Amino acid sequence: EPEVTQTPSHQVTQMGQEVILRCVPISNHLYFYWYRQILGQKVEFLVSFYNNEISEKSEIFDDQFSVERPDGSNFTLKIRSTKLEDSAMYFCASSPLPTGTEAFFGQGTRLTVV
Amino acid sequence: GIQVEQSPPDLILQEGANSTLRCNFSDSVNNLQWFHQNPWGQLINLFYIPSGTKQNGRLSATTVATERYSLLYISSSQTTDSGVYFCAVEGGTASKLTFGTGTRLQVTL
Repeated sequence: EPEVTQTPSHQVTQMGQEVILRCVPISNHLYFYWYRQILGQKVEFLVSFYNNEISEKSEIFDDQFSVERPDGSNFTLKIRSTKLEDSAMYFCASSPLPTGTEAFFGQGTRLTVV
Repeated sequence: GIQVEQSPPDLILQEGANSTLRCNFSDSVNNLQWFHQNPWGQLINLFYIPSGTKQNGRLSATTVATERYSLLYISSSQTTDSGVYFCAVEGGTASKLTFGTGTRLQVTL
């Protein structure tokens, strides 16, 4: 069964460093998403991406965040200068259509900023 | 935006018991999904169920879209069912999921 894969599963970084979280969406899906979950809280939408541009972003997704599809298979989330409050679980998801279809989630990357 | 409420927030069951988790939402939806978050933090897709009823083993779900709620039934619970159950909905023209705050389930021996 096709699945969304994320790497790494866990990353520890120092405050102020740049991190790149990587995702490989399901191959025939066209819509990609990043979500974030701070420990003990609910999952929150960050950004959606289609046709090489951002479709929608939340207020959390400020200038320190960026997304990119550098090739035909990868989808990345970059955090330019990490803060302690960026520590969270980050989930990538993909879907074949923008609405009305199931979204498939990766297993997540746990980011710890120290 | 759309609001999603889940109840109960916490639930403790003995192994073998049945339970019902509820998800209420504030507007019409195009998509509704139930997830189980395991102790390692992974989100496991349980159901894609914008309307109707589905069953998968000991789990089943029903969404009554006209009344804006969904129910997740767990029968004969096992300790491996422990974790947090999230309902997530996509409403209106938004192409994103809005998650509820979850129900934390603990199944004891």
